[in-house]
Formats: sequence, C-alpha cells, structure tokens
Amino acid sequence: KAGVTQTPRYLIKTRGQQVTLSCSPISGHRSVSWYQQTPGQGLQFLFEYFSETQRNKGNFPGRFSGRQFSNSRSEMNVSTLELGDSALYLCASSAGQQNEQFFGPGTRLTVL
Amino acid sequence: GQQVMQIPQYQHVQEGEDFTTYCNSSTTLSNIQWYKQRPGGHPVFLIQLVKSGEVKKQKRLTFQFGEAKKNSSLHITATQTTDVGTYFCAGNYKLSFGAGTTVTVRA
Repeated sequence: KAGVTQTPRYLIKTRGQQVTLSCSPISGHRSVSWYQQTPGQGLQFLFEYFSETQRNKGNFPGRFSGRQFSNSRSEMNVSTLELGDSALYLCASSAGQQNEQFFGPGTRLTVL
Repeated sequence: GQQVMQIPQYQHVQEGEDFTTYCNSSTTLSNIQWYKQRPGGHPVFLIQLVKSGEVKKQKRLTFQFGEAKKNSSLHITATQTTDVGTYFCAGNYKLSFGAGTTVTVRA
C-alpha cells in the first residue's frame, strides 16, 4: 500500500496570504488528522476528519480550516498567514479513531 | 492546549546504557500511544496501551501504562545509535501529544 502523501512538501508565503495544503491518506483509511509541529511546542492537534465530517478540533483560531472529500483526501487551509504559522504541518491517516496513525512526510511552511 | 507532559525533554545516553522517558497527564486517559520520530523524518507509531497497569514489550523497549491511567513510561535497555530520535506519547486517541523526549546517543 502506498503511504500517506502530502503536497506540497515545501512552501514559502508572506504574511497576509493564504495557503492550502493537501493530504492523501492510505487507501481504505477514512480518518485524517492534521497537526502543527514546531520546535518548542511539539505536535499540536489541529483537527480530525472522518467520512467528510470534522470529528474533533484543537485549540487553533478560525484562520485554520479543513475539509475532507468523498475519497478521504483532505485539505487544510490557513488564511491571513502570520509569522508564527511557520511550521511543519503533518497529516496522519488511520482506519478509525482508535487505531494507529500513519503520518505523511509533512509540508514545511515558511511565512516571511 | 497540551494536556500531556513528557519528561525529560532531552536525554543524552551512553551507548549500552538504559534510560526511561515519562508521560504524565492531569486527567485520566482512555489510552496512550507512543511514536518515534527520527531526525528529519515523521512520527512512526510504536505501540498503544489501553488497560490500567498494562505492560508491553518490543525487543529492548518496554512500555507501561499507570494504574490510574494518568501516566506512562517508555524504558529502553542497552541503548543503540538506532534509538536516536524524539519519542512522543499521545493521549486519548491522538488528541493530546506530549512535547517529546529527544534522545541522543554517545558512541
């Protein structure tokens, strides 16, 4: 089985812009979660989607949003980018909420 | 915010020695998952603990879930250079990740 893929792998944006990141889960996995990873904060949970519905949401402002399509692919959008949004954004898929997660390689976002 | 705390944040280990990293929560957890992230890589699932007092072993790694389901530990024996990386615990089915313990090994 192919692993979790994320595109793009690297992205440079300027403050105020918006960005959309994409995640394709492992075939058959219906749960997709997004995390923000920064050196000092570890992995911060953003949100989880299951069968196109947001099932859980972390403590992030409304500038961070996501969605999931019928084929389980997911996108994450960040609007009005701030310098502090620079981070590695990781997507993880699992067969269900209680199962192990498989992480993608991440998208490295730099906001200038 | 983060509900799970990990200690220590950094662990420098002599090759061949043992070490333990701890994961603590202020609230009762339904489960604990452990992940390992190699430098430059992404987190990889190691194990999941669900039952109170549960102990699981994977070769040189021993994972334990506390009786009160508020803490967990990962013990590595005879550390090798392949153990280098950051170890994360995640509580309540991945919603709360600890900040991780970054392990370096002196050969």
